[in-house]
Amino acid sequence: GAGVSQSPSNKVTEKGKDVELRCDPISGHTALYWYRQRLGQGLEFLIYFQGNSAPDKSGLPSDRFSAERTGESVSTLTIQRTQQEDSAVYLCASNPWVDTQYFGPGTRLTVL
Amino acid sequence: QKEVEQNSGPLSVPEGAIASLNCTYSDRGSQSFFWYRQYSGKSPELIMSIYSNGDKEDGRFTAQLNKASQYVSLLIRDSQPSDSATYLCAVRGGEKLTFGTGTRLTIIP
Repeated sequence: GAGVSQSPSNKVTEKGKDVELRCDPISGHTALYWYRQRLGQGLEFLIYFQGNSAPDKSGLPSDRFSAERTGESVSTLTIQRTQQEDSAVYLCASNPWVDTQYFGPGTRLTVL
Repeated sequence: QKEVEQNSGPLSVPEGAIASLNCTYSDRGSQSFFWYRQYSGKSPELIMSIYSNGDKEDGRFTAQLNKASQYVSLLIRDSQPSDSATYLCAVRGGEKLTFGTGTRLTIIP
């Protein structure tokens, strides 16, 4: 079946603009995670969804970042008033349980 | 102290040799341990998981876990050029995976 998909694959935006990043998890996967990966760095946890609730938002770097999820389906990560330090690859992962995360291809965000 | 630490490398290993990747973690309550491989410009993919002390083998890969020492490692036997990638260690405590920064491995033909 289809894997995790993310859109857009690339996004270039100007500083101060808002962006929305989308993740479509594997059908039936209840857990969904967002990570950020800066160039040459490891994965930085942002937020975790179980169904449409977010038990752990501890990784969101500031109140400019927010995320929502519709049921056990699509999730959207929104970054308001983007800054240059927000430039990174944003990865989404889903899994039927907590373990064995399946990653999407990521969205490469560039803030000019 | 970082929660999950790995040597950033780069680690260079001749083709056919054994590559050894190491990871330490700080949370003694951690329950599950994973190794992901990430090719340049690609997403991480799971290659090994381990849950109990000892060794777990899968083909050319062996994961080793020592909870007393809070240490997990990955051995790659008969290294191939296609093994050249960044290897990420991940540790689960509660409902969240925490990743190390990764070790870049280069297999030299």
